Amino acid sequence: EAKVVESGGGLVQPGGPLRLSCEGTGFMLSNYWMHWVRQAPGKGPVWVARMNEDGRRTDHADSVRGRFTISRDTARNTLYLQLNSLRAEDSALYYCVKDFVGPEESWGQGTLVTVSS
Amino acid sequence: QSVLTQPPSASGTPGQRVTISCSGSYSNVGSDNVYWYQQVPGTAPKLLIYNDYRRPSGVPARFSGSKSGSSASLDISGLQSEDAADYYCAAWDARLQGYVFGSGTTVDVL
Repeated sequence: EAKVVESGGGLVQPGGPLRLSCEGTGFMLSNYWMHWVRQAPGKGPVWVARMNEDGRRTDHADSVRGRFTISRDTARNTLYLQLNSLRAEDSALYYCVKDFVGPEESWGQGTLVTVSS
Repeated sequence: QSVLTQPPSASGTPGQRVTISCSGSYSNVGSDNVYWYQQVPGTAPKLLIYNDYRRPSGVPARFSGSKSGSSASLDISGLQSEDAADYYCAAWDARLQGYVFGSGTTVDVL
């Protein structure tokens, strides 16, 4: 069974960095588009970033472009999201999603990021 | 403010039909596929409809999607108590170069 497990969330001060990880099991990241989606408490989901199968194409939402970077380590079958210059409005549950909007879509349980002094 | 507009709430009694609308523009719904999600509080969103009307394996046939121009709809026929949840539409936006979600609709089963 294909599964993704996120980690790396926590409490961070405004302006600080954080790196989120998403380990895939039961499938190869290099066979799917991989995405990050976030959701603040009580709000709707917001798409954050994506990477294609061969890792050569990445896209980031306007709200995070230049601050967040999606990457991966194929040897570890792990996707990352580097979060820099964090703001209070970045506080949310961050989900890693395999094949977002596709028939084989799979979401993790999410990792919580809280930006506060 | 969401790029895609949905009614904030909808409701029906068991067995009734409920329709949720999703209004977008030429750069998203009008030019690309629409997707629909169901989210029960405390859980991750679940894909109900992809590519405007297709259902992933395991999604009941009472859920159906359609699209006309820059608007899309999700129909729930034969409403059941377990359908009480939040529903979101989504689409790729060519102008923003990213996926956008709707404002969300809470469905109550009376």
